[in-house]
Amino acid sequence: DTGVSQDPRHKITKRGQNVTFRCDPISEHNRLYWYRQTLGQGPEFLTYFQNEAQLEKSRLLSDRFSAERPKGSFSTLEIQRTEQGDSAMYLCASSSGLAREAFFGQGTRLTVV
Amino acid sequence: ELKVEQNPLFLSMQEGKNYTIYCNYSTTSDRLYWYRQDPGKSLESLFVLLSNGAVKQEGRLMASLDTKARLSTLHITAAVHDLSATYFCAVDTGGTSYGKLTFGQGTILTVHP
Repeated sequence: DTGVSQDPRHKITKRGQNVTFRCDPISEHNRLYWYRQTLGQGPEFLTYFQNEAQLEKSRLLSDRFSAERPKGSFSTLEIQRTEQGDSAMYLCASSSGLAREAFFGQGTRLTVV
Repeated sequence: ELKVEQNPLFLSMQEGKNYTIYCNYSTTSDRLYWYRQDPGKSLESLFVLLSNGAVKQEGRLMASLDTKARLSTLHITAAVHDLSATYFCAVDTGGTSYGKLTFGQGTILTVHP
């Protein structure tokens, strides 16, 4: 296993367009987390899943954002009608119930122009 | 609401000098992490501190945890240029939300000759 994988690594989109990011966690990790990091700030929690169930969503996750983990494996994060303020690094992490440490992917850098 | 505060936010060091980064948090923690982030990159895990009095060392970096004071420190010994990066602490409060992290603002470390 090569760790948490995110795709794409970079995305440039025009304001108003929809974008979707994918995260493949470490195999058999039951928890998956999404964070957003804007320039000069620490990562901020967005949402997390245990298997396919979305257990918590941050207030940061407006109704333009939706996340899924349909089969309890990979997850997608979709942003509809993107705004310039959505420009950020989107980080995914996964953890298992046993070790509990979260491992981060390489992130997806979104630029909205 | 959990708050995690780091200081200083900016640290300019001369090579060979020692310094400490502080991380204070506002509620009880289950574990505390230190991460390194290079520009445009994701998070690299440095240390996981699990219990009061825990101390871990790797090369020129040493991290400690005082759960009673809700304080963790990252001590840098004889800094070298390669340590220049942004350092984050992150708190996992455990319980049913294990793995969900709250990050500090980050400390931008610059080591110069």
